[in-house]
Amino acid sequence: AQSVTQLDSHVSVSEGTPVLLRCNYSSSYSPSLFWYVQHPNKGLQLLLKYTSAATLVKGINGFEAEFKKSETSFHLTKPSAHMSDAAEYFCVVIPSGSARQLTFGSGTQLTVLP
Amino acid sequence: DAGITQSPRYKITETGRQVTLMCHQTWSHSYMFWYRQDLGHGLRLIYYSAAADITDKGEVPDGYVVSRSKTENFPLTLESATRSQTSVYFCASSHQGSEDTQYFGPGTRLTVL
Repeated sequence: AQSVTQLDSHVSVSEGTPVLLRCNYSSSYSPSLFWYVQHPNKGLQLLLKYTSAATLVKGINGFEAEFKKSETSFHLTKPSAHMSDAAEYFCVVIPSGSARQLTFGSGTQLTVLP
Repeated sequence: DAGITQSPRYKITETGRQVTLMCHQTWSHSYMFWYRQDLGHGLRLIYYSAAADITDKGEVPDGYVVSRSKTENFPLTLESATRSQTSVYFCASSHQGSEDTQYFGPGTRLTVL
């Protein structure tokens, strides 16, 4: 069985400071891992994905995430927050070749303060 | 060039009524997905489809029915709506499967009274 835990339901940062959104997972099989972002009243958009290639993954809008198998983590970071980054972020795990076991984390709401 | 659309965007219905939520994509993606989003649960997979006439259950399929007679359409039917099915429903599609990038529709907010 697999699961995803987003360790913070809310994160607040000041504009221009670093962002860290934490995600831990458990999976019986080599997983694919994703981060999606959801702006208010919108659908979800892919930020980045890890599919067993490079462990440091770069995504859109300056975000990146590092897959650490030993820590079963896939934390999302950005060096400098922008007001437009305010949104909800979801970590997703998919065991290899198993669409029906796709699992979303419960989400982290990011607030960016001026 | 609409991409992926959902209709209606908002729906209010009563307990026991049948409701169908529509999803249409213009990319000819093989895979399509239905999720529900509830506070504190993130998104949960209801059903998915790997191709026309091929569907499979996700995490929370009870009370829902899907069909996929054409590649571009993936309707979700609540045969007898219940209050617990009040939620926001998202449809998504991907070219090669769940491990490929999924593209989400704007969502349908359903209220069951």
